[in-house]
Amino acid sequence: DTGVSQDPRHKITKRGQNVTFRCDPISEHNRLYWYRQTLGQGPEFLTYFQNEAQLEKSRLLSDRFSAERPKGSFSTLEIQRTEQGDSAMYLCASSSWRGPSYNEQFFGPGTRLTVL
Amino acid sequence: SQQGEEDPQALSIQEGENATMNCSYKTSINNLQWYRQNSGRGLVHLILIRSNEREKHSGRLRVTLDTSKKSSSLLITASRAADTASYFCATDTGAQKLVFGQGTRLTINP
Repeated sequence: DTGVSQDPRHKITKRGQNVTFRCDPISEHNRLYWYRQTLGQGPEFLTYFQNEAQLEKSRLLSDRFSAERPKGSFSTLEIQRTEQGDSAMYLCASSSWRGPSYNEQFFGPGTRLTVL
Repeated sequence: SQQGEEDPQALSIQEGENATMNCSYKTSINNLQWYRQNSGRGLVHLILIRSNEREKHSGRLRVTLDTSKKSSSLLITASRAADTASYFCATDTGAQKLVFGQGTRLTINP
């Protein structure tokens, strides 16, 4: 399967703990995105990478959130000092800047975070 | 705030009927993408339509785009129980991020 993969699929943590999620994009895609989705809502943009450069961050991405894509391949999203309001589905997507499907964003299965 | 707004918020039809969902948006776009999401799962990409296109087809799916009205529609023909899901439109304004609406919850009754 050459789709976008995310790990873990589910994470339950206690308030105040740090969590880290991983995303592996489709191999030839140079763009990678993180979104957050809460129940009954559409996904909301968090941040975006082109290769290893983080080019945009949403206001939703507070100082407790940090994302990296060190070698332009996989990416990690870390949340420090988690709060109950961080409970959501965290979605990763990737896209290519060229080819017949350029700019089509393909999503992974998501990581569902529950903060107790 | 969300750029796209889907209408209706919920739709329930009988298997075999056609389902039409609409999406309106506020600013100029490069493209508009439709996604399906089954309960609690990831998003499945359905169709991307670019701003210079007016209609695209994929199997039982037909998407139209009217940039003068800033609206798009998704038609699913001959619906099946497996089409039960939430459907989202997402707009790309050229800033590389997608802005999603709240989605239409489609239920296909057997």
